[in-house]
Amino acid sequence: NAGVTQTPKFRVLKTGQSMTLLCAQDMNHEYMYWYRQDPGMGLRLIHYSVGEGTTAKGEVPDGYNVSRLKKQNFLLGLESAAPSQTSVYFCASSYDPTSGLELVQFFGPGTRLTVL
Amino acid sequence: KNEVEQSPQNLTAQEGEFITINCSYSVGISALHWLQQHPGGGIVSLFMLSSGKKKHGRLIATINIQEKHSSLHITASHPRDSAVYICAVRNFGNEKLTFGTGTRLTIIP
Repeated sequence: NAGVTQTPKFRVLKTGQSMTLLCAQDMNHEYMYWYRQDPGMGLRLIHYSVGEGTTAKGEVPDGYNVSRLKKQNFLLGLESAAPSQTSVYFCASSYDPTSGLELVQFFGPGTRLTVL
Repeated sequence: KNEVEQSPQNLTAQEGEFITINCSYSVGISALHWLQQHPGGGIVSLFMLSSGKKKHGRLIATINIQEKHSSLHITASHPRDSAVYICAVRNFGNEKLTFGTGTRLTIIP
């Protein structure tokens, strides 16, 4: 049981390049989230998904796109990277809400992205 | 939007001291989470509570719904407790969390 995994762990991009970050979870969670973490700021939600085939915008969605084609995977894309997207990106997933339980989030290890 | 504030931002203490980290929020919530982020960057959930108090080992979390305030206590602190502690809240009917900026705790041997 790997929990939540993210690939890659590190990446350096040049301005204008594109890339995709992959998040995978093996806990059969319905909800998945992408956050970015910047110095001096709390985790900020980029996009999230409440189920396979659904996505929604979070607090800071501009410059990012996401897809949830399979329940276990949540992809975050940067079409044209900018230096302002230099950050640490965390993926998280949480329980099936139909259980009636509060949604504890399980986090991946993070991806450190630098855009030059 | 719920505003989440943590205090202090940084805390340095000697091993063995009793530690208190505070979290306040502006709008009524369905639940509050405490998370720990280790120096290596990994984030783990410590507690999730909507009322009262929870205890796990040397860690205790309390919440006062009327005052919109929560505290995380660490008894007999140890250098391995050094980490960033993050408070997050969930509003009613919302599947998203709003995070505080964290409290950086350093325990000196």
